[in-house]
Amino acid sequence: TQLLEQSPQFLSIQEGENLTVYCNSSSVFSSLQWYRQEPGEGPVLLVTVVTGGEVKKLKRLTFQFGDARKDSSLHITAAQPGDTGLYLCAGPGSQGNLIFGKGTKLSVKP
Amino acid sequence: DAGITQSPRHKVTETGTPVTLRCHQTENHRYMYWYRQDPGHGLRLIHYSYGVKDTDKGEVSDGYSVSRSKTEDFLLTLESATSSQTSVYFCAISDYLDNQPQHFGDGTRLSIL
Repeated sequence: TQLLEQSPQFLSIQEGENLTVYCNSSSVFSSLQWYRQEPGEGPVLLVTVVTGGEVKKLKRLTFQFGDARKDSSLHITAAQPGDTGLYLCAGPGSQGNLIFGKGTKLSVKP
Repeated sequence: DAGITQSPRHKVTETGTPVTLRCHQTENHRYMYWYRQDPGHGLRLIHYSYGVKDTDKGEVSDGYSVSRSKTEDFLLTLESATSSQTSVYFCAISDYLDNQPQHFGDGTRLSIL
């Protein structure tokens, strides 16, 4: 069974701080996706990483895919209150669906 | 933003009643999915569709049925709702099956009393 474990489960920081959240699995994934979900809304895709060792940057967000394609991380530099939300990682499952981690709930206080 | 509309957005009903949730897309995407999101479980696939009248079960399909008579509409039915089906339900669409991002609707919050 493919599982994605995300850590930490909750994270509360002050504006301006840096943070990293993790997505780990014992299974190899052909790709991983990161979504952000805000209260009352559906998840919105941030990035897809497909190559082991790949690093992608999206403004203050840096995404890395592990060399063995079993893990990924999301680093946010100088967090802002607008970064508050639930961050989900997801990978392709055997039925064409996405397998989701349980998410990291981030709160950035002004 | 992808054109996905879920209806209703909120519903409260009683145990034993039938409930139908609707997902409507304007993107002409082939694949449509129903997920439920619960604390401690994350998002889990209920059913999905790979074309008109072509559907298949997901991880948590018991107690649910689906239908897709048109490309743009995917219906999720709870034949006889139970309290364990209280959840937030999300519809998603995608162009391709593998390794493709999915676009999500804004969800239906369903409470079964």
